[in-house]
Order: sequence, then C-alpha cells, then structure tokens
Amino acid sequence: AQSVTQLGSHVSVSEGALVLLRCNYSSSVPPYLFWYVQYPNQGLQLLLKYTSAATLVKGINGFEAEFKKSETSFHLTKPSAHMRDAAEYFCAVSEEYPLTFGKGTMLLVSP
Amino acid sequence: NAGVTQTPKFQVLKTGQSMTLQCAQDMNHNSMYWYRQDPGMGLRLIYYSASEGTTDKGEVPNGYNVSRLNKREFSLRLESAAPSQTSVYFCASVEGGDSYEQYFGPGTRLTVT
Repeated sequence: AQSVTQLGSHVSVSEGALVLLRCNYSSSVPPYLFWYVQYPNQGLQLLLKYTSAATLVKGINGFEAEFKKSETSFHLTKPSAHMRDAAEYFCAVSEEYPLTFGKGTMLLVSP
Repeated sequence: NAGVTQTPKFQVLKTGQSMTLQCAQDMNHNSMYWYRQDPGMGLRLIYYSASEGTTDKGEVPNGYNVSRLNKREFSLRLESAAPSQTSVYFCASVEGGDSYEQYFGPGTRLTVT
C-alpha cells in the first residue's frame, strides 16, 4: 500500500531564504510522485511531477524536487522564497489509482 | 477549456437537509474523484469513478452517495447532512492510462449547522 508523510505541518522562512519541504513515501513499486500547491480559497494546482525519467524535476514558479529512491524521499526546494509562495503544499504518490496525498505543509513567508 | 467546474461554490445547510454537489470536466478524462479537505487532515478521498459506469468507495464514504452521470459529470449527494460534514469538497479528474496527474476544481465550501 502506498503512503506519504510530510514532515512539518508548518514551515516558516524569510523572503529570499531557501525553501525546503520534506516528503517521504512508501510504495511497493517505483511510484509516480507529485507536488501540488494550494493558494488560499483555491483548488490544488500541479507544481511538478516525477514519472521515472530524470530524478531532478523542475516545476513552475522556480520549484524543483529530487527523487531519491534510497531515501524514499521527494523533497521540494526553491532557492529563494517570495511572498507569493505562501501557500499550502501537498505531496502525493501513485503506484495505483487513486493518488494518496500527504496532510500538507503550510509555507509561511515573512518579509 | 474550463477544466473541472464545481457548483455551488458555497452552501449552508441545516442538519438533516440533503443536497447534491455537482462536478463536470471538459477534458474527456476517464476517472473522477471526490475529496474532502479539513484542517490538519489533508485531502481524504470520499468516492471515485475509474471510468464511466463505475464507482468505488474511498477512505471516508459514510454519509455520501455518488453518481457518474456520464463521462463528463460526477455528482456527490449528502442525503441527511450532519455537522461533521462541514468541509471543503474538491472534485478532480484524471485522463487515465499512464497519466496519473489529477486536475482539481475550485471547491465547494459547505457548512452544516
């Protein structure tokens, strides 16, 4: 069975600082992995996805994530945070339908 | 393309009332899903439809029913609303095959008093 763990329900950074949101997964087969972002009062929007091609995946808005099979991780990073990055971020895994989502990490960005 | 649309955007119900949440997608996707989102709980799957004519229970199906009306539409019904069903409801669709990417609607914010 697949599962996702996101470490930290809230992460606070200063504008310009590195963003690191952690995601670990459990899957019995090589999975597809996703990061979604949810801005206040909106639906979820795909940031990036890993589908067994390159292990370093680049997404929208300057975010990227690296698939590390040995660590069963798919952490999301961005070199320099912007105020507009403040949102909730969800990691998801799929070895089968439907996707399994983590509980989400709220990113807070201070000036 | 409108993508995934949901109606209504907001709804307030009294305990015991019934209502249907509507979802439609115009991307010719095979699979459709209903989730609820509650603070600290992430997204929890209520029901899904892998293809037209099929529906299956997800993690939290109690108190809900669904209908896959056709390939485009997937509705969620609350027969007798309870305060525990106060939540934000999201519909999503997936093309299917090798594509697992889910496309989400804007959500319905439901309050049951």
